[in-house]
Amino acid sequence: TQLLEQSPQFLSIQEGENLTVYCNSSSVFSSLQWYRQEPGEGPVLLVTVVTGGEVKKLKRLTFQFGDARKDSSLHITAAQTGDTGLYLCAGDLQGAQKLVFGQGTRLTINP
Amino acid sequence: NAGVTQTPKFQVLKTGQSMTLQCAQDMNHEYMSWYRQDPGMGLRLIHYSVGAGITDQGEVPNGYNVSRSTTEDFPLRLLSAAPSQTSVYFCASSYSPNNPYEQYFGPGTRLTVT
Repeated sequence: TQLLEQSPQFLSIQEGENLTVYCNSSSVFSSLQWYRQEPGEGPVLLVTVVTGGEVKKLKRLTFQFGDARKDSSLHITAAQTGDTGLYLCAGDLQGAQKLVFGQGTRLTINP
Repeated sequence: NAGVTQTPKFQVLKTGQSMTLQCAQDMNHEYMSWYRQDPGMGLRLIHYSVGAGITDQGEVPNGYNVSRSTTEDFPLRLLSAAPSQTSVYFCASSYSPNNPYEQYFGPGTRLTVT
């Protein structure tokens, strides 16, 4: 059973469209992170959210941490082909000294 | 800075063989970890270390050993390779053992066990 559930697992849309990826859990996290991974490379950190209700923006990407710190979302506005990749959420359980990852969302943006 | 480096990039083993995956970082990070990535399962933690001389098990430790004799290096040993260990392995590091988030990942080692 996955502690962090991401949805959808696969998403293919046209360039210019908007999309949202979700990361849900029944556990409370001290922080939640989003990574992006390109084929043949390691994940690269995009953002960390630590406060319930927090919203962070990174150009066309908007990240939100749920009020109860159990879930998060990633919203992309006007998707571009360069946004194609595997998006991973990861949570930091308080005191655990380790991250748990969701199973990932494979995003394809078609020209 | 080279960041996190991993060797080899690719490896093929026969069932029962042993090998060591190397990981090194030059950022003076205290926290290091090993993950395996399988299709549809995200990243699963194998072992981690909060500093030199200290290691602990993650979610899927069976069949793997680690040691941390220096801050820079964190090798992962496969004792007797099995086909179920076919995967992509990532090493990661983080500045503080109290903040395991914000990890820097290496480029990965793709391992095939036949």
